Amino acid sequence: AQKITQTQPGMFVQEKEAVTLDCTYDTSDQSYGLFWYKQPSSGEMIFLIYQGSYDEQNATEGRYSLNFQKARKSANLVISASQLGDSAMYFCAMREDPNTGNQFYFGTGTSLTVIP
Amino acid sequence: EADIYQTPRYLVIGTGKKITLECSQTMGHDKMYWYQQDPGMELHLIHYSYGVNSTEKGDLSSESTVSRIRTEHFPLTLESARPSHTSQYLCASSGLAGVDTQYFGPGTRLTVL
Repeated sequence: AQKITQTQPGMFVQEKEAVTLDCTYDTSDQSYGLFWYKQPSSGEMIFLIYQGSYDEQNATEGRYSLNFQKARKSANLVISASQLGDSAMYFCAMREDPNTGNQFYFGTGTSLTVIP
Repeated sequence: EADIYQTPRYLVIGTGKKITLECSQTMGHDKMYWYQQDPGMELHLIHYSYGVNSTEKGDLSSESTVSRIRTEHFPLTLESARPSHTSQYLCASSGLAGVDTQYFGPGTRLTVL
């Protein structure tokens, strides 16, 4: 079974609009971490935002926020006021309980295109 | 900002050559990782290390090998490059207890002719 599922291969958004990128995860651990990364066409992976499984509030970092719904096992990324530079691949990732293992699991990614 | 470096950034090489992709980090992180990624596709873990003299194979079968003699250095070696090795190779490190965010290097784009 997939640990991380991103069901949107490609998304388009108008500049200055908000966009939500979906991510669902599968784990039986109580302690885990959820991450979002951005990968521009240049290829580097840029860390955007982190949410811990015990964090009660949704994480925010500037224009990025993580809509964490623990019961539904979803960790959607919300980008507000989209900019042309936001066009990139976005990967959702999960780290399970470090006491039981330390691998990261990545989703297949969502390609976001911001339209002027 | 993460301090993790990879060289070379781009490499074009002929079949059968031995190559080493370099990865270094200055953050003192214990854990380091190598991923293989085809353009626009998901990442596949090929090797990881939890510390000096510790290396493990990842989920994706790979003909490469790694070593971890120093904390900051985690090179990946292909003994005999083949066209099927053409891909992007990303190195990452992590080490902050609890959060354990992985920080990535800029990647090496390898083309084997």
